Amino acid sequence: AQTVTQSQPEMSVQEAETVTLSCTYDTSESDYYLFWYKQPPSRQMILVIRQEAYKQQNATENRFSVNFQKAAKSFSLKISDSQLGDAAMYFCAYRSMEGSQGNLIFGKGTKLSVKP
Amino acid sequence: NAGVTQTPKFRVLKTGQSMTLLCAQDMNHEYMYWYRQDPGMGLRLIHYSVGEGTTAKGEVPDGYNVSKKKKQNFLLGLESAAPSQTSVYFCASRVQGGSTEAFFGQGTRLTVV
Repeated sequence: AQTVTQSQPEMSVQEAETVTLSCTYDTSESDYYLFWYKQPPSRQMILVIRQEAYKQQNATENRFSVNFQKAAKSFSLKISDSQLGDAAMYFCAYRSMEGSQGNLIFGKGTKLSVKP
Repeated sequence: NAGVTQTPKFRVLKTGQSMTLLCAQDMNHEYMYWYRQDPGMGLRLIHYSVGEGTTAKGEVPDGYNVSKKKKQNFLLGLESAAPSQTSVYFCASRVQGGSTEAFFGQGTRLTVV
């Protein structure tokens, strides 16, 4: 079974600075998808960025980018120019390409605080 | 476009009571999921559904049942609520195929006393 590990329960960053959230996963599959979701205090789950494992190029969405290291099974999220609105729980998630289930497997989350 | 709507948003139950959580999506998605979120645990899959009428168990199905009579509605039932079922429940849906995004409802905070 696949597992996702986020080793940083909490992180803090100064406004306008850069922060990196770590995520590692365990799988025997060669093709899969990886996601970062943001959960602000409103509780809504918001997709931040996604990565297809067959793509070598790291995904980027504005101030958010990932460092995808397939051999190391690592998928970290970098937030540049941090803003107060980035304060939230961040969840790393894995989804298999195989089978009909297609559900997300989540890490336990990292709570990000942004200091003004 | 409403997306994924969960009803209710909050609920307090007494131990042994039953209730049904409703999830409705208007995006014609084939896949629907029920997760629970507990502090320090992330989100864990309870049950899921593919298409109309097909449901299956996820990681933590005990104490829950589901119903999927229409493609757009996915019901999660608690027959006899227990304090261990105090949690935030999320419904999600997505279209079939590719790295498609899962869309989440706003969550239901359930407290069992």
